[in-house]
Amino acid sequence: DTGVSQDPRHKITKRGQNVTFRCDPISEHNRLYWYRQTLGQGPEFLTYFQNEAQLEKSRLLSDRFSAERPKGSFSTLEIQRTEQGDSAMYLCASSGIRTLAKNIQYFGAGTRLSVL
Amino acid sequence: GQNIDQPTEMTATEGAIVQINCTYQTSGFNGLFWYQQHAGEAPTFLSYNVLDGLEEKGRFSSFLSRSKGYSYLLLKELQMKDSASYLCAVENYGQNFVFGPGTRLSVLP
Repeated sequence: DTGVSQDPRHKITKRGQNVTFRCDPISEHNRLYWYRQTLGQGPEFLTYFQNEAQLEKSRLLSDRFSAERPKGSFSTLEIQRTEQGDSAMYLCASSGIRTLAKNIQYFGAGTRLSVL
Repeated sequence: GQNIDQPTEMTATEGAIVQINCTYQTSGFNGLFWYQQHAGEAPTFLSYNVLDGLEEKGRFSSFLSRSKGYSYLLLKELQMKDSASYLCAVENYGQNFVFGPGTRLSVLP
């Protein structure tokens, strides 16, 4: 098992462009989370999937953000009409069957987005 | 509302003991997690508490008081490699997570 992988690792884009990030979770994990993290802050929850169902979406997430997990495996996060304030690290995490009731998340290395 | 507070920065000496505090107010509680994050890397799981009391795991221990909305992470026999950010996170009933701002720990020789 290679862990959670995210692609690309870095993305530089111009304001107003659309970007899409991909996350491949640990294969047997059914839960997948997206977070945004800015420098010096903790991860900020964006959205969460259980299998292919998107169960929760942060109220902070504008309608420019959309996420999918079409077959309950990999997920994509799209940001439309990017703004400079979208510059951040976008982290993906997955978790599987609760072990001793723990919902331990395993994080990918993240995609760093820079909007110029 | 939901809020998690942690000290922004802490400094300690190699070989010493350090306690990182976390206070929280969240809508529902399904467990409290501590993660370690080295600069430029992904967070990695350290510790979990769902019942009151102390959980010990090698050099790391974590304590929880649900009635006080309070947790701490205790690191013993500090090593230089422990220099990192330590993130406190609460899992809500909906299985989503609220993370604190993180505490940046610097271990000095």
